Amino acid sequence: GAVVSQHPSWVICKSGTSVKIECRSLDFQATTMFWYRQFPKQSLMLMATSNEGSKATYEQGVEKDKFLINHASLTLSTLTVTSAHPEDSSFYICSAPGQGKYGYTFGSGTRLTVV
Amino acid sequence: RKEVEQDPGPFNVPEGATVAFNCTYSNSASQSFFWYRQDCRKEPKLLMSVYSSGNEDGRFTAQLNRASQYISLLIRDSKLSDSATYLCAVTRAGSYQLTFGKGTKLSVIP
Repeated sequence: GAVVSQHPSWVICKSGTSVKIECRSLDFQATTMFWYRQFPKQSLMLMATSNEGSKATYEQGVEKDKFLINHASLTLSTLTVTSAHPEDSSFYICSAPGQGKYGYTFGSGTRLTVV
Repeated sequence: RKEVEQDPGPFNVPEGATVAFNCTYSNSASQSFFWYRQDCRKEPKLLMSVYSSGNEDGRFTAQLNRASQYISLLIRDSKLSDSATYLCAVTRAGSYQLTFGKGTKLSVIP
């Protein structure tokens, strides 16, 4: 079945540094990738939608200069958290639509801790 | 009003109990409806899609009420392994984007 491989699974970084999260579609081409963020005991909130070969679309309130999204190929979408701060600590997860038994394939998520 | 709202929970139930979750959505043009299960620190996994006619999968039954804009999930004969957070999700009209509820935590107690 469709698989999205997300790396890293967890990362601890120092405040002010940047962190890149990758999502790769292993056996299909993902022209679109959704990026979500989930704070503890909160809902998965859509941050942005990346489309291969074009600029990402960001949800209201999400800083596009802080959360850089690149979708350079049909199998790879990346999210870079730039100049990370402790308040960016969260669970980040990607999802490719239109795949899998019911139309969505999620990555396994990345737990980011900024210290 | 949030786009998708769920019962606040948490629900603590004994094994074998029947438990029901409700979820309301604000956009009447919402097209597709789902229940997901999320274990701690894991990605959500699809439990079932929800159809207007209602659908059942083993111990799980999902219902959709478009007039009242809510969906429900019924779990019968709860198992310890059912302990998780249950998220409802809807898609916006004309979009693949999933909007999730906050989730309801279920703990099944021996």
